[in-house]
Amino acid sequence: EPEVTQTPSHQVTQMGQEVILRCVPISNHLYFYWYRQILGQKVEFLVSFYNNEISEKSEIFDDQFSVERPDGSNFTLKIRSTKLEDSAMYFCASSDGNRSGYTFGSGTRLTVV
Amino acid sequence: GEDVEQSLFLSVREGDSSVINCTYTDSSSTYLYWYKQEPGAGLQLLTYIFSNMDMKQDQRLTVLLNKKDKHLSLRIADTQTGDSAIYFCAESMDNFNKFYFGSGTKLNVKP
Repeated sequence: EPEVTQTPSHQVTQMGQEVILRCVPISNHLYFYWYRQILGQKVEFLVSFYNNEISEKSEIFDDQFSVERPDGSNFTLKIRSTKLEDSAMYFCASSDGNRSGYTFGSGTRLTVV
Repeated sequence: GEDVEQSLFLSVREGDSSVINCTYTDSSSTYLYWYKQEPGAGLQLLTYIFSNMDMKQDQRLTVLLNKKDKHLSLRIADTQTGDSAIYFCAESMDNFNKFYFGSGTKLNVKP
């Protein structure tokens, strides 16, 4: 079964550093998403991406965050100048546009120290 | 704003039925989903239901939707130890672009 692949599985970074979280969506999917889950809290929507542009973003997704699809296979989330409160599990997801739900990756656990 | 609530824990014995409940606030929710998360894994779509349906059955899984009370439940028949995981309820509106998730219910199945 096709999978969404996320790397790395765990990233530790110092406060103020930039991180790039990588995702390889399912190859024929057109819609891409990032969600995050702070420990003990809900899974929260960050951003959706379609046709090479952001289609929707949440209040969390401020100027510190950016997304990119640099080639035909990768979808990245960049966090500039990380803060302690950015520590969370970040999930990438993709969809073919069918309303039967997304396919999620296994997540990247980001720890900011 | 949209709010999705779930109880945090459920413990059952192997072979029993499990019922995981979810409430939501937005009456315009069109699609409701159940996702499963096993340790170290991503969110796996289990099943979904459209808001114009009351019930959906898929093998051991039964989803019940009470739209009037904004209540969604997932029943797992003959629960197995492999069903131990966190179960997330999620809703989406017509824009499709984002889901609203509950906090997840941790199901513990005792042998």
